[in-house]
Amino acid sequence: DVKVTQSSRYLVKRTGEKVFLECVQDMDHENMFWYRQDPGLGLRLIYFSYDVKMKEKGDIPEGYSVSREKKERFSLILESASTNQTSMYLCASRSGQSYEQYFGPGTRLTVT
Amino acid sequence: GEDVEQSLFLSVREGDSSVINCTYTDSSSTYLYWYKQEPGAGLQLLTYIFSNMDMKQDQRLTVLLNKKDKHLSLRIADTQTGDSAIYFCAETRKGGSYIPTFGRGTSLIVHP
Repeated sequence: DVKVTQSSRYLVKRTGEKVFLECVQDMDHENMFWYRQDPGLGLRLIYFSYDVKMKEKGDIPEGYSVSREKKERFSLILESASTNQTSMYLCASRSGQSYEQYFGPGTRLTVT
Repeated sequence: GEDVEQSLFLSVREGDSSVINCTYTDSSSTYLYWYKQEPGAGLQLLTYIFSNMDMKQDQRLTVLLNKKDKHLSLRIADTQTGDSAIYFCAETRKGGSYIPTFGRGTSLIVHP
């Protein structure tokens, strides 16, 4: 089974802190994604990566950056966390040959 | 308007059928999906349908696609309390990078 793991299930940070969210997949997938999920808004794509060291902006990249130094790991960085970044963050991966995305369990981030 | 629209809530009685509806705007959509998100978990692909199909059945699940009206539905027969979850409709487009566009999600509540 494909496994996508996220470093934390719950995280509480203060405004202005630098925040790292880590995602690891074990299926050698080329594509990895970061979404945020907010009630009533569904999933919104922040960034995605189709290869090591490659990244593309999604629909809402402002205030975020990403890093993909190894194929299995995709990190989401909040350079200076703000309260409007309080949300559920979901990581996903997908093989280049497939249409199915595999999701991690999510990290619920609260910025106070 | 939004690319993928679905109602936010549906409440059904255990044992009844549930029908979750979705509309999309892009006629070039190639794959249409239903993802399920159980409480506290990430999304999991439930079923999918190619745009050249009208119907797909998989045990208790029936997906109907009306390409003319750009309408997708998911019917769950004999709905159980374990079916309580958020259901996301999603589509990917021809010629794109196969990154799905998600609807806002429909919360299905199954009561005894």
